[in-house]
Amino acid sequence: KQEVTQIPAALSVPEGENLVLNCSFTDSAIYNLQWFRQDPGKGLTSLLLIQSSQREQTSGRLNASLDKSSGRSTLYIAASQPGDSATYLCAVHAGANNLFFGTGTRLTVIP
Amino acid sequence: DTAVSQTPKYLVTQMGNDKSIKCEQNLGHDTMYWYKQDSKKFLKIMFSYNNKELIINETVPNRFSPKSPDKAHLNLHINSLELGDSAVYFCASSLRLAEETQYFGPGTRLLVL
Repeated sequence: KQEVTQIPAALSVPEGENLVLNCSFTDSAIYNLQWFRQDPGKGLTSLLLIQSSQREQTSGRLNASLDKSSGRSTLYIAASQPGDSATYLCAVHAGANNLFFGTGTRLTVIP
Repeated sequence: DTAVSQTPKYLVTQMGNDKSIKCEQNLGHDTMYWYKQDSKKFLKIMFSYNNKELIINETVPNRFSPKSPDKAHLNLHINSLELGDSAVYFCASSLRLAEETQYFGPGTRLLVL
């Protein structure tokens, strides 16, 4: 059974710092991995999608990597801003059309 | 303009009632989903629906039933509501199964008293 873990559960950084969020999954038989952002009381916004054949994806200040063999993905945020404060979720798309979510990392960027 | 919309945004109801949550997507996607986010913020897929094929997560009670009047809509009906059904329910859609980015609605916050 696929299990997705995110570390750390919470992270506080001063504005301007670069940071890395980690995601690990137990079964490497995945279609893709997706990173989401969730603001308090709001829905999920898709940030990046990495197909199983890809190693990384970039969008603006965000860069996501995928190492399928080791069951790991990282989300790198450059030059963090207070507006980046949110909960970041990774989700692995695996068999029978299932999306398995991690429990998220709550990021606070301090002005 | 909203890609995936859900109504209502909030739903407060008594135990034992039957309720529905509506979801609509205007993205032309073939596949729609329902997720439940519990109090610990953990998201779990409940259903996916593609071209009249319904895939059900085996842990979902049969009090929950999705209904799709057309490709753009996937409504969630819940019978005999229980306290443990209190959660945030998210609808999502993707162009096809498995390989595509999923786009989420804003969520419906259900509270069962």
